[in-house]
Amino acid sequence: GEDVEQSLFLSVREGDSSVINCTYTDSSSTYLYWYKQEPGAGLQLLTYIFSNMDMKQDQRLTVLLNKKDKHLSLRIADTQTGDSAIYFCAEVGANNLFFGTGTRLTVIP
Amino acid sequence: DTGVSQDPRHKITKRGQNVTFRCDPISEHNRLYWYRQTLGQGPEFLTYFQNEAQLEKSRLLSDRFSAERPKGSFSTLEIQRTEQGDSAMYLCASSLTKMDEQYFGPGTRLTVT
Repeated sequence: GEDVEQSLFLSVREGDSSVINCTYTDSSSTYLYWYKQEPGAGLQLLTYIFSNMDMKQDQRLTVLLNKKDKHLSLRIADTQTGDSAIYFCAEVGANNLFFGTGTRLTVIP
Repeated sequence: DTGVSQDPRHKITKRGQNVTFRCDPISEHNRLYWYRQTLGQGPEFLTYFQNEAQLEKSRLLSDRFSAERPKGSFSTLEIQRTEQGDSAMYLCASSLTKMDEQYFGPGTRLTVT
């Protein structure tokens, strides 16, 4: 569970949907998380999905999980300028979280 | 509860000096974690506590680093003889149990000159 990969950058126009992708390595991970980090700040837990689920929706956020391909995605509907931040996916290790490098989302007004 | 807090938020120190950071977890959270985040990277695990017991240290935690959680509440992370490579954001997180989500503090940004 130490090789979580994400694309580095994503730009979208305000009002469009954003899709942030992540691949993880440990098929035994029980939970997978999405965190948001604004400049100079700590990490804010956005949402998570249990490994026996395919999809979870929470207001503007939709998480899709493909266990076969070890692929996780976060869709943000109606993206707003306040959504501009770095988004990290994380998988659960034995006693800690393994994070990807983060995807910097830029929302263009 | 106001969440996980960390102090100080920023620390600038000269190489060779010792520094200590403090983390106050969400009350009643049994688990407390320390992570380090360098520029352009995701957080990397350093160590964690279950109550006052330090149960795991990553290989990133050199001998110059020590962490304590003396009464199972707040925790301190000390770095002795700081080096420029120690410059990073040090993040603390807490969770109720192993299976619960981790909540992060705002971090302490360390700059070693």
